[in-house]
Amino acid sequence: EAGVAQSPRYKIIEKRQSVAFWCNPISGHATLYWYQQILGQGPKLLIQFQNNGVVDDSQLPKDRFSAERLKGVDSTLKIQPAKLEDSAVYLCASSSSGRDGDTQYFGPGTRLTVL
Amino acid sequence: AQSVAQPEDQVNVAEGNPLTVKCTYSVSGNPYLFWYVQYPNRGLQFLLKYITGDNLVKGSYGFEAEFNKSQTSFHLKKPSALVSDSALYFCAVRDAGNTPLVFGKGTRLSVIA
Repeated sequence: EAGVAQSPRYKIIEKRQSVAFWCNPISGHATLYWYQQILGQGPKLLIQFQNNGVVDDSQLPKDRFSAERLKGVDSTLKIQPAKLEDSAVYLCASSSSGRDGDTQYFGPGTRLTVL
Repeated sequence: AQSVAQPEDQVNVAEGNPLTVKCTYSVSGNPYLFWYVQYPNRGLQFLLKYITGDNLVKGSYGFEAEFNKSQTSFHLKKPSALVSDSALYFCAVRDAGNTPLVFGKGTRLSVIA
């Protein structure tokens, strides 16, 4: 079974530029998550999708971050414009139902450096 | 809101010795508890989880964890550590329903040959 795919693996941009990350979840998983992991910290949830609807985006900085999952499969996370403090690893995860003890499976992540 | 504490930033253990990585949690209801491992430049890999039932949970690569409700702990253990176990370990908890999974800050395990 193929895991969660993410691209690109690494990205370096200047501040105020825009950037987009792509995620393809495990086949059949209804729930997709984007996390931000700053160096030295645990992952923090940015947004959770159930199929193509948003379940939780309470910690997404909506003035600069946006995400979509138009067909309920793959997803794109965008930052526009980027700030220095956005330097982090962006992790995508998926799970079958998104509830209770459902296991989340993570992709390899995209390491973003903002200069 | 749920929270997780991993009190140790770093744990050092000799190869062949038992290892323990500590985790305590706080939730309003019954917890769902997870352990993940992260190797350099890799995503998080699922190790094991507690949902209900037996307090001792067995997972991948010989790891196990013990759920202790009275102490609100979920410590990760392995009877005999390997050098290849050296990595960053994250404990995570969620409450029932559609609540977010909350991660600890991680514990770096170093197994010395």
